[in-house]
Amino acid sequence: AQSVTQLDSQVPVFEEAPVELRCNYSSSVSVYLFWYVQYPNQGLQLLLKYLSGSTLVKGINGFEAEFNKSQTSFHLRKPSVHISDTAEYFCAVSEVAGYSTLTFGKGTMLLVSP
Amino acid sequence: NAGVTQTPKFQVLKTGQSMTLQCAQDMNHEYMSWYRQDPGMGLRLIHYSVGAGITDQGEVPNGYNVSRSTTEDFPLRLLSAAPSQTSVYFCASRRGLTASNEQFFGPGTRLTVL
Repeated sequence: AQSVTQLDSQVPVFEEAPVELRCNYSSSVSVYLFWYVQYPNQGLQLLLKYLSGSTLVKGINGFEAEFNKSQTSFHLRKPSVHISDTAEYFCAVSEVAGYSTLTFGKGTMLLVSP
Repeated sequence: NAGVTQTPKFQVLKTGQSMTLQCAQDMNHEYMSWYRQDPGMGLRLIHYSVGAGITDQGEVPNGYNVSRSTTEDFPLRLLSAAPSQTSVYFCASRRGLTASNEQFFGPGTRLTVL
């Protein structure tokens, strides 16, 4: 079975500053990795995903993430955040084989202030 | 396309009452799932379905029933509501069965059990 750990429950940052949201996963088999964003009172929206190939993945809204197999990490980064990036961010993992289910981390609340 | 729709948006129940949360998708997706979201817990999988007539349990299935009589609809039933089922419920769907495909989420149903 797989699991996901998001190391920070809340990350406060000033507008235009860089940000990194940390995610570590555990699995005994090959995995797919995802980052989802949830804006207040809305459903989840896919930011980006890693399936295979290049370990640096670019997503929507200027976000990117890097897959590090040796450290079992998939950290999310943005070089300059905006107020509108304030949201909750979820890292998720799924096994490659079969019709696997998604396992989510507990989420990181990104709070961007002026 | 309307995507994934959920009704109702809000519901208040008394302990012991029953109700059905509705979920529908118009994308002809094979895979559908139900999650519950609780503060500090992330999203936890309740039940999922890989096609009409096929359902399976997720991480937290107790107290919930599902059925999948059509590709489009995947209702979630609470037979005897308990305060522990107070949560926000999300329905999701994805094309095909492989987890590499994006999962689309509905807007959620906020349920309070008194």
